[in-house]
Amino acid sequence: DVKVTQSSRYLVKRTGEKVFLECVQDMDHENMFWYRQDPGLGLRLIYFSYDVKMKEKGDIPEGYSVSREKKERFSLILESASTNQTSMYLCASSFRARGNTEAFFGQGTRLTVV
Amino acid sequence: KQEVTQIPAALSVPEGENLVLNCSFTDSAIYNLQWFRQDPGKGLTSLLLIQSSQREQTSGRLNASLDKSSGRSTLYIAASQPGDSATYLCAVNTGANSKLTFGKGITLSVRP
Repeated sequence: DVKVTQSSRYLVKRTGEKVFLECVQDMDHENMFWYRQDPGLGLRLIYFSYDVKMKEKGDIPEGYSVSREKKERFSLILESASTNQTSMYLCASSFRARGNTEAFFGQGTRLTVV
Repeated sequence: KQEVTQIPAALSVPEGENLVLNCSFTDSAIYNLQWFRQDPGKGLTSLLLIQSSQREQTSGRLNASLDKSSGRSTLYIAASQPGDSATYLCAVNTGANSKLTFGKGITLSVRP
């Protein structure tokens, strides 16, 4: 079974802190994604990576950065956390080949910024 | 820009009913479409993936269909059970590095 593991289920951080969300997948997937999910807005793509050290901005990258130093690990960084970044964060991975790109998600991290 | 719509936002049915969840998308140039289930406070679980060349995909009591030309997919759930209560999301892959565009989901409640 594909496994995508996010480092924390719940996090509470203070405004202005630097926050790291970690995601690890065990299926040798090239693609990895970070989404946030908010009521009424659905899932929105923050950043994605299609290879080690490669990254592309998604729809809402402002206030975030990412790091992918190893194929299996994709980190989301909140440079200076703000209350409007309180949200559910979801990591996903998939193969890059167009014929088989089934996406698998982690269990989510509920981040609260106070 | 691809847009995915799921209507209605919420649905309540009695146990045992067969039901259909709808998903529509604006750009028919897709590579595949995926249906997910999400339980409250949890991540997304992949249910079915339909390739653009396929018309249907089945898994147990679930059957998903795809009509690319009309920009529609349906998820059919047979003999619904209270354990099917969850939010169901569809997502389309337009091939740009396999990024998915999601609908906002349908929250299903199956009453015992």
